[in-house]
Amino acid sequence: GNSVTQMEGPVTLSEEAFLTINCTYTATGYPSLFWYVQYPGEGLQLLLKATKADDKGSNKGFEATYRKETTSFHLEKGSVQVSDSAVYFCALRRSTGGGNKLTFGTGTQLKVEL
Amino acid sequence: GAVVSQHPSWVICKSGTSVKIECRSLDFQATTMFWYRQFPKQSLMLMATSNEGSKATYEQGVEKDKFLINHASLTLSTLTVTSAHPEDSSFYICSAQREYEQYFGPGTRLTVT
Repeated sequence: GNSVTQMEGPVTLSEEAFLTINCTYTATGYPSLFWYVQYPGEGLQLLLKATKADDKGSNKGFEATYRKETTSFHLEKGSVQVSDSAVYFCALRRSTGGGNKLTFGTGTQLKVEL
Repeated sequence: GAVVSQHPSWVICKSGTSVKIECRSLDFQATTMFWYRQFPKQSLMLMATSNEGSKATYEQGVEKDKFLINHASLTLSTLTVTSAHPEDSSFYICSAQREYEQYFGPGTRLTVT
């Protein structure tokens, strides 16, 4: 079946540090890949997505590249801010069948300190 | 746009009672809504897909008689946890679909004592 594995947190960084949150997946076919962010007290928000191999999703300074050869979709940001503190979820959606069902990773909490 | 709300945000109930959680799409209509359950330090687990005007589709292992889902309008889906027990304590999250993307509510923390 489909599964998503992401690094455990919490990840604690100083402001302006480089961020990488690893995400790997197992799926048949060619899934779409997503990163969602959940700020304290709020619902999950779509951060970025990629729908095919070698696509790069980007938003708010965050980037992730769909790597089919390594089945990965690592999240990166060159310079984090305190306001980026949140929980980040990697997710996939099957390419065919299954409707719009999402499979999520366990989430990685990011804490950015001054 | 694409705001989804949940009510209540947290609820405490006694074992054996039932509790209803509402999920509303505030600025769009959603034919399809989803209900998830999240345990601490674990991923969101899809419980069921809720379709307006028809019966919900439950994931394998989810008791449909325990977790009653009603999607009576294009902006409201409800999840009722019947005869709740402490093991039902969890964080319940809904999402509403618009143009094939899911928009999530803030979640409801249920504690059964």
